[in-house]
Amino acid sequence: NAGVTQTPKFQVLKTGQSMTLQCAQDMNHEYMSWYRQDPGMGLRLIHYSVGAGITDQGEVPNGYNVSRSTTEDFPLRLLSAAPSQTSVYFCASSYSRRGLTTTNYGYTFGSGTRLTVV
Amino acid sequence: AQKITQTQPGMFVQEKEAVTLDCTYDTSDPSYGLFWYKQPSSGEMIFLIYQGSYDQQNATEGRYSLNFQKARKSANLVISASQLGDSAMYFCAMTSSQGGKLIFGQGTELSVKP
Repeated sequence: NAGVTQTPKFQVLKTGQSMTLQCAQDMNHEYMSWYRQDPGMGLRLIHYSVGAGITDQGEVPNGYNVSRSTTEDFPLRLLSAAPSQTSVYFCASSYSRRGLTTTNYGYTFGSGTRLTVV
Repeated sequence: AQKITQTQPGMFVQEKEAVTLDCTYDTSDPSYGLFWYKQPSSGEMIFLIYQGSYDQQNATEGRYSLNFQKARKSANLVISASQLGDSAMYFCAMTSSQGGKLIFGQGTELSVKP
């Protein structure tokens, strides 16, 4: 299984350009999410989705759009790139499994996209 | 609101010794999951260990164990018998019953000395 596939791995954009970061999963997970990681920091949530057609904002959503038309795909769109969006972007898919007395969660991350905006 | 706190920006440990990385969390949700991830210099996020909020026993995965103290809201990672390859950034993270999103701490950079 491929797990979570992110493309591209590297990208350089000029200020004002738009682009889409692709994320696809083949595990039939109901949830997907996007994070950015800036130097010396942990990952911060940009947007997430709890199912096809349902998305919500995370901690740092400004400047990014998402949609989820299928369970497998969750693209992240930069409408007008800014230098402040230079970062490493991670996509993840996840599940929750409710048992009789507990709920288990699992997350799988893609390998990341390193984006530079000049 | 949920929050994860890692108070150790950097740690050093001698090879073959054990090390504890601290993590405290805050949530009002009774159902949540706690994760530890390793991020080597190559950048990928490597899952290490998971603890569910209702799990009675501390999670263990090989040389990794999670010291879960629910009343104190702490979820410290213990690495036994450190190896040079353990040198990396380590992140504590939490998810909740809302599903689909992780909240991360700032990370701890671990350096293993030969």
